[in-house]
Amino acid sequence: EVQLVESGGGLVKPGGSLRLSCAASGFTFSSYSMNWVRQAPGKGLEWVSSISSSSSYIYYADSVKGRFTISRDNAKNSLYLQMNSLRAEDTAVYYCARGMTTYFDYWGQGTLVTVSS
Amino acid sequence: SYVLTQPPSVSVAPGQTARITCGGNNIGSKSVHWYQQKPGQAPVLVVYDDSDRPSGIPERFSGSNSGNTATLTISRVEAGDEADYYCQVWDSSSDQGVFGTGTKVTVL
Repeated sequence: EVQLVESGGGLVKPGGSLRLSCAASGFTFSSYSMNWVRQAPGKGLEWVSSISSSSSYIYYADSVKGRFTISRDNAKNSLYLQMNSLRAEDTAVYYCARGMTTYFDYWGQGTLVTVSS
Repeated sequence: SYVLTQPPSVSVAPGQTARITCGGNNIGSKSVHWYQQKPGQAPVLVVYDDSDRPSGIPERFSGSNSGNTATLTISRVEAGDEADYYCQVWDSSSDQGVFGTGTKVTVL
């Protein structure tokens, strides 16, 4: 059974940093691209970032480019999102999702990030 | 950047058919995917590559895509289908994922 479990969310002040993790199990992690998608409270889904299976290709939404860094450790079956210079508008539930060509077939339950003073 | 537009809400009686549109410039040239999200839960993929269904998704869910509009059709709607639905594409010109604005389906 495919499982994705996010962690690392919490309350952080504007301008602060946070590192999210996603632990994967139930599939060959190193064979799949991985993604972060977020959802602000009461709002729709927003794609954040994608990383290919070998980390060769990395993409970011314009809203986070230069502030967020996606990475993965295939030996640890883990996906990460380093978030710097956080803003109030980054407040959201952050989901990790497994990538399949151009879509996301399995999602974690999400971790809440709140940026507030 | 590429924009996907959905109606904010669709209402349907049980047993009837719900159609949710997703508009985008020449969207027919892209692969469109659909997700269902119930309150407090993570999204679930219900249709991928315009019209394919993942295992476990009922045949009542179907999709089509042509021209500037993609459509998710839910036949014989049930109370359990009440949820938010999002379309999604990958914009290869910018190498970014794009989600639609979302549609809330209400079962009357």
